[in-house]
Amino acid sequence: DAGVIQSPRHEVTEMGQEVTLRCKPISGHDYLFWYRQTMMRGLELLIYFNNNVPIDDSGMPEDRFSAKMPNASFSTLKIQPSEPRDSAVYFCASSLGSYLQHFGDGTRLSIL
Amino acid sequence: RKEVEQDPGPFNVPEGATVAFNCTYSNSASQSFFWYRQDCRKEPKLLMSVYSSGNEDGRFTAQLNRASQYISLLIRDSKLSDSATYLCVVPNTNAGKSTFGDGTTLTVKP
Repeated sequence: DAGVIQSPRHEVTEMGQEVTLRCKPISGHDYLFWYRQTMMRGLELLIYFNNNVPIDDSGMPEDRFSAKMPNASFSTLKIQPSEPRDSAVYFCASSLGSYLQHFGDGTRLSIL
Repeated sequence: RKEVEQDPGPFNVPEGATVAFNCTYSNSASQSFFWYRQDCRKEPKLLMSVYSSGNEDGRFTAQLNRASQYISLLIRDSKLSDSATYLCVVPNTNAGKSTFGDGTTLTVKP
């Protein structure tokens, strides 16, 4: 079975540009989570969805970040405009029920 | 106090050693717990689930102490391939999300 699929795997862009990260959860999973991981701050939950509805976005750092889940098989995390401090690894995870989360490979984002 | 706290580490041990990590949690209503493993520059992956007093899988043993609100992970006969960061995870069923600890880094040396 396919796991959580994220794209792109790597993204390098200049500050001020719009960045869009994509995630396809495991089929049948009803929860989707977006995380950011850095050496300084560890793994941070940004936002999560249940049945495509955003439940808690309190972890989204600021208005430059937005996330959508238009259907059960696709979600995006957008940063506009991007800044160097947004450089991190962004993980998407999905779960059936809210317990056992399966992570994607992550997107390594570098903002120059 | 953080919801989930782990031994800060790092732990550096020789091959064959036994090593244990602890994790404390603040939500006394939590019923299940997980240990995830994360290799360098990779995604976290489930290592073990802990639903009652404990769980054992080969060289790995996870134990739960509800009275003291901590979980432990014991690794026996450490292998070089055990080198990784181990994350303690506590689901919050009311909130629909899980809290991840900051992780404990283990390095097993020859």
